[in-house]
Amino acid sequence: GQQLNQSPQSMFIQEGEDVSMNCTSSSIFNTWLWYKQDPGEGPVLLIALYKAGELTSNGRLTAQFGITRKDSFLNISASIPSDVGIYFCAGRSGNTPLVFGKGTRLSVIA
Amino acid sequence: DARVTQTPRHKVTEMGQEVTMRCQPILGHNTVFWYRQTMMQGLELLAYFRNRAPLDDSGMPKDRFSAEMPDATLATLKIQPSEPRDSAVYFCASGLGVEWGELFFGEGSRLTVL
Repeated sequence: GQQLNQSPQSMFIQEGEDVSMNCTSSSIFNTWLWYKQDPGEGPVLLIALYKAGELTSNGRLTAQFGITRKDSFLNISASIPSDVGIYFCAGRSGNTPLVFGKGTRLSVIA
Repeated sequence: DARVTQTPRHKVTEMGQEVTMRCQPILGHNTVFWYRQTMMQGLELLAYFRNRAPLDDSGMPKDRFSAEMPDATLATLKIQPSEPRDSAVYFCASGLGVEWGELFFGEGSRLTVL
């Protein structure tokens, strides 16, 4: 079945630093999504990407749909304490349900 | 503010007991998904429905898990009998069609089976 490799598994950064995380797939996807999960809550959609090469921003967040359609990255600029949480990539191809990566756990040190 | 509602938020039960988790999807959404989240496995898809019809439940242990949608406003996930390995957070998510990726998650039901 489809698998997503998300890296890094965890990150510890200083407030104000930029963050980058990525996701790769063993197969071609036609949709990439990025979610954030706060402790005790469900994942919340941050950015959705539907076209290869697409670059989309949401405030300090920027995500790109890789040209090969097998990867995507998420960047967070000028991190703040409330950026703490687990970030998940998710993707799908055809009419199959979303497949999720294992998540990147982000810690921000003030 | 439309959102997916799940109950209970927390459940502690003993091994062998029946557990039922409920989900109210966002009004107008026609697809409902059940995911299980654990530290080891991450988010695993258990089952999903479109227009109340089950499309795939291959992710569920069939002998003890069952998922249903009695009506468009209610989805249920039942475990009978429960086992300690079922301890996890169970999420319900809804969306507009399997072919659209944007899923909206509930806050989850944290299950602990002793």
